[in-house]
Amino acid sequence: DIQMTQSPSSMSASLGDTVTITCLASQDIGNYLSWYQQKPGKSPKLMIYGATNLEDGVPSRFSGSRSGSDYSLTINSLGYDDEGIYHCHQYYEYPDTFGAGTKLELK
Amino acid sequence: EVQLVETGGGLVQPGRSLKLSCVASGFTFNNYWMSWTRQAPGKGLEWVASITNSGGSTYYPDSVKGRFTISRDNAQNTLYLQMNSLRSEDTATYYCTREKGYFDYWGQGVMVTVSS
Repeated sequence: DIQMTQSPSSMSASLGDTVTITCLASQDIGNYLSWYQQKPGKSPKLMIYGATNLEDGVPSRFSGSRSGSDYSLTINSLGYDDEGIYHCHQYYEYPDTFGAGTKLELK
Repeated sequence: EVQLVETGGGLVQPGRSLKLSCVASGFTFNNYWMSWTRQAPGKGLEWVASITNSGGSTYYPDSVKGRFTISRDNAQNTLYLQMNSLRSEDTATYYCTREKGYFDYWGQGVMVTVSS
């Protein structure tokens, strides 16, 4: 199975900051990588697909990038609404696998 | 508006069975693959099963293969997950998801608790 190593597991940032969350794939997954935001008690919400494509309706403050097997989610101009857990997901091959999640809190 | 509404969760004893349903609306159901993904309490996400738009092919991880069966009724816009031989480690919130490889829509989730 493809392992997705996500870091950090948690982070705290200030209003207006720029933060980056990363996922390292254990083997090549091309651009078959998506990112989800999950707020407490809610279902996940798709933010990024195809490693770099912004889902409709997601603020342009969110962006995805890839460098080799490293995939990053960057959030600019952090706001309180951005708090939550972020999950990466590879869908290159079955079984689909997810990172362990990153809990983002605002100071 | 796309909506996915899951039902059928609850408390079940180890070794017993449970069937989840997901009613879809707001899109042409038979045009899309569908999936189930779960999340154990306080844990990460785990993909559970996928089915092609026609229902002709299904896919599972080893953790549920042979115990869980995904199916669909395109006439009723409904997705199912039949779960047999349930174990304590199957305790989780189960989400119905529309699939394009990635999961672009998620239901609100239904809780399944496996305990004696």
